[in-house]
Amino acid sequence: GAVVSQHPSWVICKSGTSVKIECRSLDFQATTMFWYRQFPKQSLMLMATSNEGSKATYEQGVEKDKFLINHASLTLSTLTVTSAHPEDSSFYICSARDWRGQPAGGGELFFGEGSRLTVL
Amino acid sequence: AQTVTQSQPEMSVQEAETVTLSCTYDTSESDYYLFWYKQPPSRQMILVIRQEAYKQQNATENRFSVNFQKAAKSFSLKISDSQLGDAAMYFCAYRIPAGKSTFGDGTTLTVKP
Repeated sequence: GAVVSQHPSWVICKSGTSVKIECRSLDFQATTMFWYRQFPKQSLMLMATSNEGSKATYEQGVEKDKFLINHASLTLSTLTVTSAHPEDSSFYICSARDWRGQPAGGGELFFGEGSRLTVL
Repeated sequence: AQTVTQSQPEMSVQEAETVTLSCTYDTSESDYYLFWYKQPPSRQMILVIRQEAYKQQNATENRFSVNFQKAAKSFSLKISDSQLGDAAMYFCAYRIPAGKSTFGDGTTLTVKP
């Protein structure tokens, strides 16, 4: 299957600093990527849909200025947590849809390895 | 709004036995996709099986199969000959074509040796 790589896999930062997480589709082009947040033993909460060449679409309740998303190329989306605070500590996951060989609308979702953010 | 419900927060199965994980969903759409994802302790989400709503035949992938009941809006996952490596959190998911996915709350599966 397709490969999505996420980096870094874990990061520790001080409160008030900004952290950038990268999500790359390694063997396919992804016009759309998704960013999720997951708390321990809970489901994935969609934060935003990242669209290549245009602004991201944020879910209700997600602060756009706090979680900056950039999708500058067909293989890379970045999530920047600005002025991070301890409450931003979480597991962040990205996914990308691979449309190759799929019927219209049937693109498969592939997930990155996830990034664990700890804000001290 | 579409919702996905997994009524079993935790399940356990003896190695080599069979276990069924439940999932129900609510939608007014006629064309959609259903998925089961596995999230092992490594936290990497892995697709286990998918089902297109327009297909009447239940999807099967080796030891994994689904019981798709469209009228009842039910999509259960059966794991046969359970292995220790099957231990993980399993998420049921729904989406319409080209839409965003909605995930259930997950079921943690424990496999006992």
